[in-house]
Amino acid sequence: QVQLVESGGGVVQPGGSLRLSCAASGFTFSSYGMHWVRQAPGKGLEWVAFIQSDGTNKYYADSVKGRFTISRDNSKNTLYLQMNSLRGEDTAVYYCAKPYSTSPRPHFDSWGQGTLVTVSS
Amino acid sequence: EIVMTQSPATLSVSPGERATLSCRASQSISSNLAWYQQKPGQAPRLLIYGASTRATGIPARFSGSGSGTDFTLTISSLQSEDFAVYYCQQSNNWPPLTFGGGSKVEIK
Repeated sequence: QVQLVESGGGVVQPGGSLRLSCAASGFTFSSYGMHWVRQAPGKGLEWVAFIQSDGTNKYYADSVKGRFTISRDNSKNTLYLQMNSLRGEDTAVYYCAKPYSTSPRPHFDSWGQGTLVTVSS
Repeated sequence: EIVMTQSPATLSVSPGERATLSCRASQSISSNLAWYQQKPGQAPRLLIYGASTRATGIPARFSGSGSGTDFTLTISSLQSEDFAVYYCQQSNNWPPLTFGGGSKVEIK
């Protein structure tokens, strides 16, 4: 059974940094591109970033481009999100999400429990 | 960027009744649409992908239809556990992947 466990959330001041981790198990992590999706309190879902299975290609939402960096360590079955220059509007629950298949048209059949990031002074 | 618009924002339905939710894309997305259910404090759950294929373990009362720009999620007979927020998501043209704003199904 697929398991995704995020960690690393917390309270950070505006302009600060945080690194999120997502430990994956129950599937061949190195075969799947992986995503981060976030949800601000009381709001809808927003896709944040994607990394290809081997780490060669990365895509970002415009709202985080230049500030966030997605990475992965396939030897540790772990996905990361380095978040710099954090703003109040980055306050959200951050989910890592696994696509249903390796299709280039991703939808997500597995999600972590989420980790809350709060940007506040 | 493809904008996904869901309606209604809130739907009040009695248990046992039928619920119909709509999702419209700002341009054609073929059948590359998924539906998710989210309950408070939980991660989203995949219901439908490819516009009409139920995900593993999803009851037959959930059905999806549509292609191009207009899509529908129908819950044929609402059960107590179905009261939740529902999101659509397109994957035809990305990045970015985009979600609709959500439709809340509440008890009437």
